[in-house]
Amino acid sequence: KQEVTQIPAALSVPEGENLVLNCSFTDSAIYNLQWFRQDPGKGLTSLLLIQSSQREQTSGRLNASLDKSSGRSTLYIAASQPGDSATYLCAGYTGTASKLTFGTGTRLQVTL
Amino acid sequence: DAGITQSPRHKVTETGTPVTLRCHQTENHRYMYWYRQDPGHGLRLIHYSYGVKDTDKGEVSDGYSVSRSKTEDFLLTLESATSSQTSVYFCATGPGLYEQYFGPGTRLTVT
Repeated sequence: KQEVTQIPAALSVPEGENLVLNCSFTDSAIYNLQWFRQDPGKGLTSLLLIQSSQREQTSGRLNASLDKSSGRSTLYIAASQPGDSATYLCAGYTGTASKLTFGTGTRLQVTL
Repeated sequence: DAGITQSPRHKVTETGTPVTLRCHQTENHRYMYWYRQDPGHGLRLIHYSYGVKDTDKGEVSDGYSVSRSKTEDFLLTLESATSSQTSVYFCATGPGLYEQYFGPGTRLTVT
């Protein structure tokens, strides 16, 4: 059974810092990996999708990497802003459509 | 994400009543999903659809049924609502098996 762990569970940084969020999964037979953010009381917003054949994806200040052999993905946020404050979730796809496994989440707070 | 709407956004209902939640998409995505999100449990898949009239169960399907009569609509029905079904319900859609995009959610309270 796929298990996805995110470290740290919570993180507080001052504005302007670069930061890395980590995602580890137990089953390396993973297809795509997707990063989401969720604001309190809101839905999940897709940030980046790394397809199976790719090693990384970039969008603006965000860069996500995927290393299937080591069972890890990282989300790098450059020059953090207060608007980046949210919970970040990674999710890995294995097997059939029903097998999307979400990570435990990292709650990020960016302070002024 | 844009193109996925859920209705109602908030609902309070009484135990024992049937409830139907609607997910509507304009993305023409083949796959549609219903999840529930609860503190301490994260997101759990209830049912999913891989085409019109084609549906299958997820990990927490007891007490729920779904229907999909056209590509853009996926309905989730709680046949007889219970307090344990108080939750936030999210619909998601995907163009393929391995990517999903989520709607804004429906907060359901069963009293």
